[in-house]
Amino acid sequence: AQSVAQPEDQVNVAEGNPLTVKCTYSVSGNPYLFWYVQYPNRGLQFLLKYITGDNLVKGSYGFEAEFNKSQTSFHLKKPSALVSDSALYFCAVGPMNTGFQKLVFGTGTRLLVSP
Amino acid sequence: GAVVSQHPSRVICKSGTSVKIECRSLDFQATTMFWYRQFPKQSLMLMATSNEGSKATYEQGVEKDKFLINHASLTLSTLTVTSAHPEDSSFYICSARGAYGYTFGSGTRLTVV
Repeated sequence: AQSVAQPEDQVNVAEGNPLTVKCTYSVSGNPYLFWYVQYPNRGLQFLLKYITGDNLVKGSYGFEAEFNKSQTSFHLKKPSALVSDSALYFCAVGPMNTGFQKLVFGTGTRLLVSP
Repeated sequence: GAVVSQHPSRVICKSGTSVKIECRSLDFQATTMFWYRQFPKQSLMLMATSNEGSKATYEQGVEKDKFLINHASLTLSTLTVTSAHPEDSSFYICSARGAYGYTFGSGTRLTVV
């Protein structure tokens, strides 16, 4: 069965510093990998995805993620954090071999960027 | 880009009544729609998957008679919480899968009093 792990409940970073939100996955076959962001009482907003190709994926709002097959990781990164980046971040995996291709989400990581 | 509209954003209902939540894909056809439930400070729990014109597939532990899902067209899916109880209070989010990938609605905060 497929699964996603986000080992950190919360990540704290000062504005202007680089940030990393960790994600590891377990899936049979080649995965689709996603990052989403959620603001309070809102749905999920798509940040980026990896399906195939370059291991470094660039997404919305200056975020990027690096797919590492050997480490089964897909960490989210941003070179310089903004206070407005404070939100809840979800990593998700969508295995390619299921009929409906449902997404499996990690438990989420709360990012807090301090001024 | 792909947009999914979810209504209502907030609803308060009395215990024992039913509540319907709508999820519409505004500018694309959604081959599959997903319904999630999110508890405070927790991840999204997939409740069910629906394809247009067919019965929804419910995840283990989700009562299909309580959470009725209808996917009547390629742009509309509805979730009806029947005979709601306070423990059904939660944040419900829909997602539609189309050519652009997965697009999420803005969620519905259901409070049962």
